[in-house]
Formats: sequence, structure tokens, C-alpha cells
Amino acid sequence: ETGVTQSPTHLIKTRGQQVTLRCSSQSGHNTVSWYQQALGQGPQFIFQYYREEENGRGNFPPRFSGLQFPNYSSELNVNALELDDSALYLCASSFPRRSSGGALSTGELFFGEGSRLTVL
Amino acid sequence: KNEVEQSPQNLTAQEGEFITINCSYSVGISALHWLQQHPGGGIVSLFMLSSGKKKHGRLIATINIQEKHSSLHITASHPRDSAVYICAVLTGNQFYFGTGTSLTVIP
Repeated sequence: ETGVTQSPTHLIKTRGQQVTLRCSSQSGHNTVSWYQQALGQGPQFIFQYYREEENGRGNFPPRFSGLQFPNYSSELNVNALELDDSALYLCASSFPRRSSGGALSTGELFFGEGSRLTVL
Repeated sequence: KNEVEQSPQNLTAQEGEFITINCSYSVGISALHWLQQHPGGGIVSLFMLSSGKKKHGRLIATINIQEKHSSLHITASHPRDSAVYICAVLTGNQFYFGTGTSLTVIP
């Protein structure tokens, strides 16, 4: 049990629709990151939010967007769904750590169980 | 070319064997994570490393920053270790993941 919960666990949408996935962070964690994992592949980093601001983004188009709320829970929104968006979507919460050089970076990741999206 | 390469892709071992999974990366990193994913999707963080070596129970992770290489070792492997092991690196505020090593430990 990581304390990170995602909803819904499974959902089916049709091409062109929009979807919102939700993630509640572990208590005290102010950073959340989202990942897409296609079947048989490793996760792909979508983006990360720190204190309600996006502070890192992978190679995903703008129709993938997110929000982080004051309680550090988060949403992933995907517009204009395509068949290739079918995947497991994972979120992870973390708390920043300071490197030996003093820079702030992402700490240990605590993952939710994921939301499995099927686009027909 | 992927920023993170893992080997082997698949690994089958007898219970009790010593296992090594390798991860090489091509970018400058601030940290490297080893993750474990069981069937059904749940991912558990095993280690976060930026230098040296860490040990937790039967698991050992090492990293060589100069060679851009990390290894995950499992001593006295057990069937419950069967899972996919994923290496992920953090560069800036961007994560790159390997495709994972699928480990099966046979009783």
C-alpha cells in the first residue's frame, strides 16, 4: 500500500471523446507525475506537477493536460482520444529531495495501481 | 535509440539462484530508480540511487556514474521475486524508462 489512489480503475471510451483520470497523493507529497504504459512496454513519462505548477513534460501532445490541486491531488485530461491512447495510466507521488549539489529534484516515487483506458 | 537500455529482456532462474539485471543510460542523470511491477500493473519503488550501492534485504543496487551503468542483484531468488523490473532515470525534471526485464523464478 503506497497511499496513492487512482480512479477509475478501468474505463472504455470511443475515439474522439475526452477522459479525466484522477490521482490522490500520499499524505505530505507535493509532487505528482503521470505515466502512460502501453501493453508490453515500459512506462513513458507524460508530465510532472510540483506545487500546482507543471515542472516537467515528456514527449506528449498538448491534448494531454493536467492539473494539481491545493491538496496535491491531480488530474490527467486527454482530449480527442485516439486508438493509440489505449494504455495503463499511472500516477506517482513524491517529495522533493536535495542533491549533494543543493538542487531540488524528485524523490522516491510512490505509484498508484493505475487506470486502464481502452479506446474503441 | 532509447535513453535507457536494460538487459536481459527476459530471465528465467531456479529458486535460490543469484540474479543480475543491468541498466545502461545515455543521458546525464540526477538519480536512477529501480522499480518492480507485478502482473496487474502495480509498481513498487525498490531503490533510488545517485551514487554507490544500496541494499535492502536480498536486493542490492549499484550504480557507476562514470560508466552510466547500474545493476540490480537479487540474492537467493524466490518465486515471489517473479515480476518485471524496470530501470528509470531522472534528468532535470524528465524521466526516461527502460522497457523492463521480465523475471520468472521457478521453484
